[in-house]
Amino acid sequence: AQSVTQPDIHITVSEGASLELRCNYSYGATPYLFWYVQSPGQGLQLLLKYFSGDTLVQGIKGFEAEFKRSQSSFNLRKPSVHWSDAAEYFCAVKGASKSTFGDGTTLTVKP
Amino acid sequence: SQTIHQWPATLVQPVGSPLSLECTVEGTSNPNLYWYRQAAGRGLQLLFYSVGIGQISSEVPQNLSASRPQDRQFILSSKKLLLSDSGFYLCAWDPGLERNNEQFFGPGTRLTVL
Repeated sequence: AQSVTQPDIHITVSEGASLELRCNYSYGATPYLFWYVQSPGQGLQLLLKYFSGDTLVQGIKGFEAEFKRSQSSFNLRKPSVHWSDAAEYFCAVKGASKSTFGDGTTLTVKP
Repeated sequence: SQTIHQWPATLVQPVGSPLSLECTVEGTSNPNLYWYRQAAGRGLQLLFYSVGIGQISSEVPQNLSASRPQDRQFILSSKKLLLSDSGFYLCAWDPGLERNNEQFFGPGTRLTVL
């Protein structure tokens, strides 16, 4: 069975500081991994995805993520956080027919 | 371009009343369709998914049901709502065929059961 764990329920960072959101997955074959962002009361928007090739993937809004097979991780990073990045972030693994999402990490940005 | 619509945007219903949420996708054909529920402070729980007209897979036992009467229409229903049905309901689609395709989400429906 596939699963995703996001260990941090809530993270607070200062504007301009770096950010790393953790994601660990469990999947029996080659994982297809995604990060989505959700603003309050809205649907989810794709930030980036990984399914093969370079293990460091670039996404929108200056985000990147690194796939580490040995650690079963797909952590999301941003070198300098902006106030507009405050939102909820979801990691997901996609199997043959459906995706499994983590419980999400809420990001608060301090001025 | 493709778009996904959900309605209503918000809904307040009494316990025991019926429910019908609608989701439609434009600009694509034969999409995979999904219904998720997001409880307050929780992640996304997959409720149903469909790979074609009339083909519905249920992920969790509950008092909800789903139907796909047309290729790009996905409906979530209940005959009698429970308090625990309150939440944020999201519809999503993907093109199917390839696993590397991401899902595209609708704006959601906020359901409050009183």
